[in-house]
Amino acid sequence: RKEVEQDPGPFNVPEGATVAFNCTYSNSASQSFFWYRQDCRKEPKLLMSVYSSGNEDGRFTAQLNRASQYISLLIRDSKLSDSATYLCVVNLYGQNFVFGPGTRLSVLP
Amino acid sequence: EAGVTQFPSHSVIEKGQTVTLRCDPISGHDNLYWYRRVMGKEIKFLLHFVKESKQDESGMPNNRFLAERTGGTYSTLKVQPAELEDSGVYFCASSPLRRDRREKLFFGSGTQLSVL
Repeated sequence: RKEVEQDPGPFNVPEGATVAFNCTYSNSASQSFFWYRQDCRKEPKLLMSVYSSGNEDGRFTAQLNRASQYISLLIRDSKLSDSATYLCVVNLYGQNFVFGPGTRLSVLP
Repeated sequence: EAGVTQFPSHSVIEKGQTVTLRCDPISGHDNLYWYRRVMGKEIKFLLHFVKESKQDESGMPNNRFLAERTGGTYSTLKVQPAELEDSGVYFCASSPLRRDRREKLFFGSGTQLSVL
């Protein structure tokens, strides 16, 4: 079993749609959780950290369920510029960051 | 403030040759990581420096890969001799040391390595 798993995708959605990404992780001791986005041929960029109580940043909402070892990202009112690969990343403090395989999103006009 | 910079951005070499990749982390970031993305696969950890010390090199694929971080500033990753399966994008990332050990990674734009 992979350490971090994500929806295989790709997701093709129309502009304005709401899209949800799911991620599960295998190491129950994991302590930090993130969503990164990666545009084609670019480096990963931090989208948002994921906190236990859930957090929101504009159109983006992240949730964490430690009991289920599950992380989610919701994008509302999707824009063309949201098209990218979304990477779920998990970290144990002081140790390396583990990346999921990513889910590709295409927002269509 | 300058971000993480990597050099070169692209490298095309023949099997058996040597290539050295360089990473300059954000100034003041003691943590430096090397990651690699092989086509069609997820980003995989290679190794982690804290200042000049190797904290974890469990992801290094074999002894053809050598990473250094002299003086705790920039880092180099040498592949010698390069093999076809070494092709991919090599990312460097850095983060500051924090007392609470909560880190956020900042990535360089990567080096696209093609071994022919």
